[in-house]
Amino acid sequence: GQSLEQPSEVTAVEGAIVQINCTYQTSGFYGLSWYQQHDGGAPTFLSYNALDGLEETGRFSSFLSRSDSYGYLLLQELQMKDSASYFCAVGDAGNMLTFGGGTRLMVKP
Amino acid sequence: SAVISQKPSRDICQRGTSLTIQCQVDSQVTMMFWYRQQPGQSLTLIATANQGSEATYESGFVIDKFPISRPNLTFSTLTVSNMSPEDSSIYLCSGVADNYGYTFGSGTRLTVV
Repeated sequence: GQSLEQPSEVTAVEGAIVQINCTYQTSGFYGLSWYQQHDGGAPTFLSYNALDGLEETGRFSSFLSRSDSYGYLLLQELQMKDSASYFCAVGDAGNMLTFGGGTRLMVKP
Repeated sequence: SAVISQKPSRDICQRGTSLTIQCQVDSQVTMMFWYRQQPGQSLTLIATANQGSEATYESGFVIDKFPISRPNLTFSTLTVSNMSPEDSSIYLCSGVADNYGYTFGSGTRLTVV
């Protein structure tokens, strides 16, 4: 089976940098993904790491260490619109995703 | 990436009735999945919708309660049968093509009274 742990809530101020950590235990690992979900909205895909290292997409970066079963999402130059829930997810050979419990990010002025 | 249209967006249903949720994808996806999400909670996989054959259900979900169809690569339905208040939740369909990112429908917020 798969299990993922991430902090339930993080608060940061506009313009700051925030890191959301995710640790996982899996029986098979086919990549770590990150999704953003605003209240009342659908999850939207942010990033994917299959190999160790950092992937950068604009203000968002995602990191993976397979040896540590650990990854993080880094959000830079925070904006109010970044207030949302962020989910890490691991995939299996069947392309099925198991999601973490989600981290609610609150960005304050 | 694909765009998924999901309907209805919300419904209030009487207990004992059934509701069918539809998802239409604007392009072919290899895999389609159905998830359930309680407000403020994570997503729980209900089943994988297989084209032209029976869906593959996760532990705790059964076909009699959640029948799923996927007649082609771009369309799938989930029925919530014989509903009870415990079925009140948000139901989401999703699809994945050859890349690694899921696309989700906008969700169906179901309230059973």
